[in-house]
Amino acid sequence: VQLVESGGGQVKPGGSLRLSCTASGFSFTSHSMNWVRQAPGKGLEWVSSISFGSTYIYYADSVKGRFTISRDNAKKSLYLQMDSLRAEDTAVYYCARSIDTIWYYFDQWGQGTLVTVSS
Amino acid sequence: IVLTQSPGTLSLSPGERATLSCRASQSLDGSKLGWYQQKPGQAPRLLIYAASTRATGIPDRFSGSGSGTDFTLTISSLEPEDFAVYYCKQYGRSPIFTFGPGTKVDIK
Repeated sequence: VQLVESGGGQVKPGGSLRLSCTASGFSFTSHSMNWVRQAPGKGLEWVSSISFGSTYIYYADSVKGRFTISRDNAKKSLYLQMDSLRAEDTAVYYCARSIDTIWYYFDQWGQGTLVTVSS
Repeated sequence: IVLTQSPGTLSLSPGERATLSCRASQSLDGSKLGWYQQKPGQAPRLLIYAASTRATGIPDRFSGSGSGTDFTLTISSLEPEDFAVYYCKQYGRSPIFTFGPGTKVDIK
């Protein structure tokens, strides 16, 4: 099982960034997927979740209306489109897989990609 | 629901028992409470789900218990690789997921 995030980098406030997470080693279509972030030196914050068929999508209030989660099952990929970025969005963003039978637990995580929002 | 973890830092020696607390501001369905471990520079790892079920590959020195508003993660005998930060997490309505602030277990 492997989850590899990409797309992080430095962006100015108000800018946009699209994160990707490429999955391998498991049946991607059987699992809900999630994004969790961690600001430098801080704790974990859940960002967004998407069901295996994209029917159910959830966002934290802190990103609602600015971030969009999506997935492409054919490409085994998860995405996070981040618009109107703010300094407080600076964090390492982790892609995490949900357990197939209990979607609200995250049993596999990528190594994360750093997003820095700064002028 | 707000999760509070205590203590903030736990200083122990290898071989000692660690008891970590996670308290919820409202009563939780225990099936929705889990624990994650995070080592420096690494991604989190799922340890315990449904309050007391060990995730795949987790050693039996890790155990979870609790119900209602009070949950506990116990490490029966600390190994050198167990020194890390531990987070509890709950699944609810809004926000869907909440993490506690974490307890750091460091070497005394």
